[in-house]
Amino acid sequence: GDSVTQMEGPVTLSEEAFLTINCTYTATGYPSLFWYVQYPGEGLQLLLKATKADDKGSNKGFEATYRKETTSFHLEKGSVQVSDSAVYFCALSSSGSARQLTFGSGTQLTVLP
Amino acid sequence: DGGITQSPKYLFRKEGQNVTLSCEQNLNHDAMYWYRQDPGQGLRLIYYSQIVNDFQKGDIAEGYSVSREKKESFPLTVTSAQKNPTAFYLCASSIGTSGRQETQYFGPGTRLLVL
Repeated sequence: GDSVTQMEGPVTLSEEAFLTINCTYTATGYPSLFWYVQYPGEGLQLLLKATKADDKGSNKGFEATYRKETTSFHLEKGSVQVSDSAVYFCALSSSGSARQLTFGSGTQLTVLP
Repeated sequence: DGGITQSPKYLFRKEGQNVTLSCEQNLNHDAMYWYRQDPGQGLRLIYYSQIVNDFQKGDIAEGYSVSREKKESFPLTVTSAQKNPTAFYLCASSIGTSGRQETQYFGPGTRLLVL
């Protein structure tokens, strides 16, 4: 079945540091890939997505590239801010899953001033 | 403003009691979903509905029930058969016609605690 493996957290960085959160996946067919962000006590918000190989999703300075050869969708940001502190979830939707999302376990990011 | 509302924000359940979590959307979406989130874990799908009057079990449906009588509403009942209901419950919706590329939009969640 489909699965998503995320880099274990928590991750603690200083403001303006470079961020990478690793995500790899196993899926049937050609999945779409998503990064969601969850702020404390809230629901999930879509951060970015990519729907085919070599697509790059980007939003608010975050980027992730759909790499089919390595089955990866790593999240990066060049300079994090304190306001980026949240939990980040990698997810996939595959053609065989009736539009269900399969989530990774989430990575807690804390950015210190 | 279009969006998804969930109520209540916090819910307390006594032993043997059924409780119902509300989810309403005004996005005109056909598909709706319920997820459960436990600390330090990803989201797991409980039930989903692709159209009014139809719904399907997800990965962890035991102890839960749903209904979809209106397009805008997808309430979740946590029954007494669910032995470990303490969790954060998230409702989501999507357009329902775009296949695997669809974005799911999430509500703010309901935290269920057992007394």
